Amino acid sequence: GENVEQHPSTLSVQEGDSAVIKCTYSDSASNYFPWYKQELGKGPQLIIDIRSNVGEKKDQRIAVTLNKTAKHFSLHITETQPEDSAVYFCAAAGTGRRALTFGSGTRLQVQP
Amino acid sequence: DAMVIQNPRYQVTQFGKPVTLSCSQTLNHNVMYWYQQKSSQAPKLLFHYYDKDFNNEADTPDNFQSRRPNTSFCFLDIRSPGLGDAAMYLCATSREDRGREQYFGPGTRLTVT
Repeated sequence: GENVEQHPSTLSVQEGDSAVIKCTYSDSASNYFPWYKQELGKGPQLIIDIRSNVGEKKDQRIAVTLNKTAKHFSLHITETQPEDSAVYFCAAAGTGRRALTFGSGTRLQVQP
Repeated sequence: DAMVIQNPRYQVTQFGKPVTLSCSQTLNHNVMYWYQQKSSQAPKLLFHYYDKDFNNEADTPDNFQSRRPNTSFCFLDIRSPGLGDAAMYLCATSREDRGREQYFGPGTRLTVT
């Protein structure tokens, strides 16, 4: 089955700096890679996703890049703000597999 | 607004006392999922419904059951909760299977005393 590894497990940045979270996946058939933000006591919220026919996608301060050859994808947050503080999960899904396989999560703390 | 709703948000049950958690959605999505999330861990899929078809994960204990009486509602039944079943239970929906966006509810935090 699919295995998704996520690094780092914790990340602390100063407000205004950039943050990068990286994930690798094992199943070359995976073709959908979402990122979720989870605030304390809440359900995960989809913030951005990318499909395997695209190498990069941006939405304001958030971008995701995908390297299919190396089987890794990354989340980039620019100009971080304290409200970006949360746990971020990457995930992967693909043909023949309905469910998402999640990474282990990254706790991002943005220091004011 | 279209959304995924979970009730209750907090549930306390006694060891061995059956408990039911509920999920409803106004998105008219055909797939509904139940995840278990323990502290500082990723969500773990228990099972999902694709329309009326039930799909159990191989490592989901028999203690966990689910019902989906119609498109909008899905229930998680824990027949005999143990202390190890204390967790956040998340319901999610998607429009189709295989890689479509999943939308999560706020979760139900279950405490077992």
